[in-house]
Amino acid sequence: EVQLVQSGAEMKKPGESLRISCTGSGYTFTDYWIAWVRQMPGKGLEWVGFIYPGDSDARYSPSFQGQVSISVDNAVNTAYLQWSSLKTSDTALYYCARHAQRSFYSAFDPWGQGTLVTVSS
Amino acid sequence: ETLLTQSPATLSVSPGDRVTLSCRASQSVSSNVAWYQQKAGQSPRLLIYGASSRATGIPARFSGRGSGTEFTLTISSLQSEDFAVYYCQQYYNWPPSITFGQGTRLEIK
Repeated sequence: EVQLVQSGAEMKKPGESLRISCTGSGYTFTDYWIAWVRQMPGKGLEWVGFIYPGDSDARYSPSFQGQVSISVDNAVNTAYLQWSSLKTSDTALYYCARHAQRSFYSAFDPWGQGTLVTVSS
Repeated sequence: ETLLTQSPATLSVSPGDRVTLSCRASQSVSSNVAWYQQKAGQSPRLLIYGASSRATGIPARFSGRGSGTEFTLTISSLQSEDFAVYYCQQYYNWPPSITFGQGTRLEIK
Protein backbone atom coordinates (compact mmCIF):
# COMPACT_ATOMS: atom_id res chain seq x y z
CA GLU A 1 0.00 0.00 0.00
CA VAL A 2 1.29 3.43 -0.97
CA GLN A 3 1.32 5.64 2.11
CA LEU A 4 2.57 9.05 3.19
CA VAL A 5 3.02 9.70 6.91
CA GLN A 6 3.63 13.23 8.15
CA SER A 7 5.26 14.51 11.31
CA GLY A 8 3.19 15.71 14.25
CA ALA A 9 1.64 19.04 15.09
CA GLU A 10 3.95 21.96 15.86
CA MET A 11 3.50 25.08 17.96
CA LYS A 12 6.05 27.80 17.32
CA LYS A 13 6.67 31.50 17.95
CA PRO A 14 7.06 34.12 15.19
CA GLY A 15 10.62 34.26 13.91
CA GLU A 16 11.41 30.65 14.79
CA SER A 17 12.47 28.07 12.23
CA LEU A 18 10.65 24.82 11.49
CA ARG A 19 10.96 21.71 9.35
CA ILE A 20 8.08 19.28 8.90
CA SER A 21 8.39 15.91 7.21
CA CYS A 22 6.56 13.46 4.97
CA THR A 23 7.74 9.85 4.74
CA GLY A 24 6.70 7.66 1.85
CA SER A 25 6.36 3.89 1.79
CA GLY A 26 5.04 1.18 -0.49
CA TYR A 27 6.64 2.53 -3.67
CA THR A 28 9.97 3.65 -5.15
CA PHE A 29 10.33 7.03 -3.46
CA THR A 30 12.66 8.52 -6.08
CA ASP A 31 10.24 7.90 -8.97
CA TYR A 32 7.38 10.25 -8.04
CA TRP A 33 7.03 13.97 -7.42
CA ILE A 34 5.92 14.97 -3.91
CA ALA A 35 3.81 18.10 -3.46
CA TRP A 36 3.02 20.27 -0.45
CA VAL A 37 -0.39 21.90 -0.02
CA ARG A 38 -1.51 24.51 2.52
CA GLN A 39 -4.96 24.76 4.04
CA MET A 40 -5.49 27.78 6.27
CA PRO A 41 -8.17 27.51 8.97
CA GLY A 42 -11.58 27.20 7.35
CA LYS A 43 -10.18 27.82 3.87
CA GLY A 44 -9.41 25.95 0.65
CA LEU A 45 -6.38 24.19 -0.75
CA GLU A 46 -3.29 26.06 -2.00
CA TRP A 47 -0.37 24.48 -3.82
CA VAL A 48 2.94 25.36 -2.12
CA GLY A 49 5.38 23.53 -4.38
CA PHE A 50 6.75 20.13 -5.28
CA ILE A 51 9.99 18.22 -5.53
CA TYR A 52 11.29 15.31 -7.60
CA PRO A 53 13.27 13.09 -5.21
CA GLY A 54 15.20 11.59 -8.11
CA ASP A 55 17.25 14.77 -8.59
CA SER A 56 15.91 17.14 -5.87
CA ASP A 57 14.42 19.45 -8.53
CA ALA A 58 12.03 21.68 -6.56
CA ARG A 59 9.46 24.11 -7.95
CA TYR A 60 7.40 26.61 -6.01
CA SER A 61 4.16 28.49 -6.35
CA PRO A 62 4.89 32.20 -6.91
CA SER A 63 2.95 32.85 -3.69
CA PHE A 64 5.39 30.76 -1.67
CA GLN A 65 8.68 31.31 -3.57
CA GLY A 66 11.30 32.54 -1.10
CA GLN A 67 9.02 31.89 1.89
CA VAL A 68 9.60 28.14 2.24
CA SER A 69 12.08 25.51 1.14
CA ILE A 70 11.36 21.95 0.00
CA SER A 71 13.98 19.21 0.22
CA VAL A 72 14.32 15.43 0.39
CA ASP A 73 16.44 12.77 2.08
CA ASN A 74 16.22 9.67 -0.10
CA ALA A 75 18.06 7.56 2.49
CA VAL A 76 14.92 7.74 4.66
CA ASN A 77 12.31 8.25 1.91
CA THR A 78 11.35 11.62 3.37
CA ALA A 79 10.42 15.01 1.96
CA TYR A 80 10.59 18.18 4.02
CA LEU A 81 8.95 21.59 4.10
CA GLN A 82 11.00 24.19 5.91
CA TRP A 83 10.65 27.76 7.15
CA SER A 84 13.60 29.88 8.34
CA SER A 85 11.47 32.55 10.03
CA LEU A 86 7.83 31.77 10.75
CA LYS A 87 5.03 34.33 10.67
CA THR A 88 1.64 34.12 12.36
CA SER A 89 0.16 33.93 8.84
CA ASP A 90 1.91 30.56 8.37
CA THR A 91 -0.61 29.02 10.78
CA ALA A 92 -2.28 26.29 8.75
CA LEU A 93 -2.63 22.59 8.07
CA TYR A 94 0.02 21.40 5.63
CA TYR A 95 -0.45 18.28 3.54
CA CYS A 96 2.02 16.37 1.47
CA ALA A 97 0.76 14.40 -1.50
CA ARG A 98 2.36 12.15 -4.08
CA HIS A 99 1.76 12.73 -7.75
CA ALA A 100 -0.23 9.78 -9.02
CA GLN A 101 1.92 9.31 -12.14
CA ARG A 102 5.66 9.63 -12.81
CA SER A 103 5.10 13.18 -14.03
CA PHE A 104 4.24 16.46 -12.39
CA TYR A 105 1.40 16.64 -14.94
CA SER A 106 -0.70 14.37 -12.77
CA ALA A 107 -3.17 14.47 -9.91
CA PHE A 108 -2.32 13.97 -6.25
CA ASP A 109 -2.82 10.51 -4.78
CA PRO A 110 -2.37 9.60 -2.01
CA TRP A 111 -2.24 12.42 0.55
CA GLY A 112 -0.61 12.46 3.94
CA GLN A 113 -2.67 12.97 7.09
CA GLY A 114 -1.62 16.62 7.43
CA THR A 115 0.59 18.51 9.88
CA LEU A 116 -0.93 21.38 11.86
CA VAL A 117 1.45 24.30 12.26
CA THR A 118 0.45 26.97 14.79
CA VAL A 119 2.49 30.16 15.02
CA SER A 120 1.63 32.41 17.92
CA SER A 121 3.45 34.66 20.34
CA GLU B 1 -1.56 31.75 -13.36
CA THR B 2 -4.65 29.79 -14.33
CA LEU B 3 -7.60 30.57 -12.07
CA LEU B 4 -10.27 27.96 -11.38
CA THR B 5 -13.76 29.15 -10.45
CA GLN B 6 -16.14 26.65 -8.89
CA SER B 7 -19.87 27.11 -8.70
CA PRO B 8 -21.93 27.16 -6.68
CA ALA B 9 -20.02 27.81 -3.45
CA THR B 10 -22.61 25.88 -1.46
CA LEU B 11 -25.31 23.49 -2.59
CA SER B 12 -28.14 22.26 -0.35
CA VAL B 13 -29.29 18.87 -1.55
CA SER B 14 -31.06 15.74 -0.35
CA PRO B 15 -29.91 12.11 -0.34
CA GLY B 16 -30.81 10.51 -3.66
CA ASP B 17 -30.50 13.77 -5.60
CA ARG B 18 -28.42 14.06 -8.74
CA VAL B 19 -25.98 16.95 -8.47
CA THR B 20 -23.59 18.60 -10.88
CA LEU B 21 -20.72 20.77 -9.74
CA SER B 22 -19.00 23.18 -12.10
CA CYS B 23 -15.37 24.26 -12.49
CA ARG B 24 -14.30 26.88 -15.01
CA ALA B 25 -10.67 27.63 -15.93
CA SER B 26 -9.46 31.10 -16.93
CA GLN B 27 -7.56 29.53 -19.85
CA SER B 28 -7.43 26.12 -21.46
CA VAL B 29 -6.01 23.33 -19.31
CA SER B 30 -6.73 20.57 -21.82
CA SER B 31 -8.02 17.60 -19.78
CA ASN B 32 -5.53 18.05 -16.93
CA VAL B 33 -8.18 18.43 -14.25
CA ALA B 34 -8.77 16.44 -11.08
CA TRP B 35 -11.56 16.47 -8.51
CA TYR B 36 -11.09 15.84 -4.79
CA GLN B 37 -13.49 15.21 -1.93
CA GLN B 38 -12.65 16.49 1.54
CA LYS B 39 -14.72 15.55 4.56
CA ALA B 40 -14.42 17.44 7.82
CA GLY B 41 -11.20 16.57 9.65
CA GLN B 42 -9.90 14.42 6.80
CA SER B 43 -7.32 14.73 4.05
CA PRO B 44 -8.55 15.30 0.50
CA ARG B 45 -9.27 12.17 -1.52
CA LEU B 46 -8.79 11.90 -5.28
CA LEU B 47 -12.04 11.14 -7.11
CA ILE B 48 -11.41 11.98 -10.76
CA TYR B 49 -8.26 12.61 -12.80
CA GLY B 50 -7.74 13.47 -16.44
CA ALA B 51 -11.15 15.21 -16.27
CA SER B 52 -13.12 11.95 -16.58
CA SER B 53 -11.22 8.94 -15.19
CA ARG B 54 -12.31 7.60 -11.82
CA ALA B 55 -9.56 6.94 -9.30
CA THR B 56 -9.14 3.48 -7.81
CA GLY B 57 -12.00 2.51 -5.53
CA ILE B 58 -14.26 5.46 -6.39
CA PRO B 59 -17.92 4.48 -6.83
CA ALA B 60 -19.46 4.68 -10.28
CA ARG B 61 -21.97 7.33 -9.11
CA PHE B 62 -19.11 9.86 -9.45
CA SER B 63 -18.37 11.00 -13.00
CA GLY B 64 -16.40 13.83 -14.55
CA ARG B 65 -16.65 15.56 -17.90
CA GLY B 66 -15.09 18.42 -19.79
CA SER B 67 -12.03 19.72 -21.55
CA GLY B 68 -10.49 23.10 -22.29
CA THR B 69 -12.05 25.50 -19.79
CA GLU B 70 -15.33 23.89 -18.66
CA PHE B 71 -15.51 20.90 -16.33
CA THR B 72 -18.20 19.19 -14.30
CA LEU B 73 -18.39 16.60 -11.55
CA THR B 74 -21.70 14.72 -11.33
CA ILE B 75 -22.89 12.56 -8.46
CA SER B 76 -25.75 10.52 -9.83
CA SER B 77 -27.51 9.68 -6.55
CA LEU B 78 -26.22 11.34 -3.42
CA GLN B 79 -25.43 9.11 -0.49
CA SER B 80 -25.12 10.35 3.09
CA GLU B 81 -21.35 9.90 2.96
CA ASP B 82 -21.07 12.28 -0.03
CA PHE B 83 -21.78 15.44 1.97
CA ALA B 84 -18.39 17.13 1.90
CA VAL B 85 -16.40 19.85 0.16
CA TYR B 86 -15.32 19.22 -3.44
CA TYR B 87 -12.31 20.85 -5.08
CA CYS B 88 -11.22 20.90 -8.69
CA GLN B 89 -7.52 21.19 -9.56
CA GLN B 90 -5.59 21.85 -12.75
CA TYR B 91 -2.09 20.52 -13.42
CA TYR B 92 -1.49 21.74 -16.97
CA ASN B 93 0.67 24.82 -16.92
CA TRP B 94 4.28 25.29 -17.90
CA PRO B 95 6.30 26.38 -15.99
CA PRO B 96 4.72 23.93 -13.58
CA SER B 97 1.96 25.61 -11.68
CA ILE B 98 -0.94 23.92 -9.94
CA THR B 99 -4.11 25.64 -8.84
CA PHE B 100 -7.23 24.59 -7.00
CA GLY B 101 -10.73 25.95 -7.19
CA GLN B 102 -12.16 27.51 -4.04
CA GLY B 103 -14.40 24.50 -3.38
CA THR B 104 -18.10 23.62 -3.40
CA ARG B 105 -19.71 22.52 -0.15
CA LEU B 106 -22.55 20.00 -0.35
CA GLU B 107 -24.97 20.44 2.55
CA ILE B 108 -27.94 18.38 3.60
CA LYS B 109 -31.19 20.20 2.75
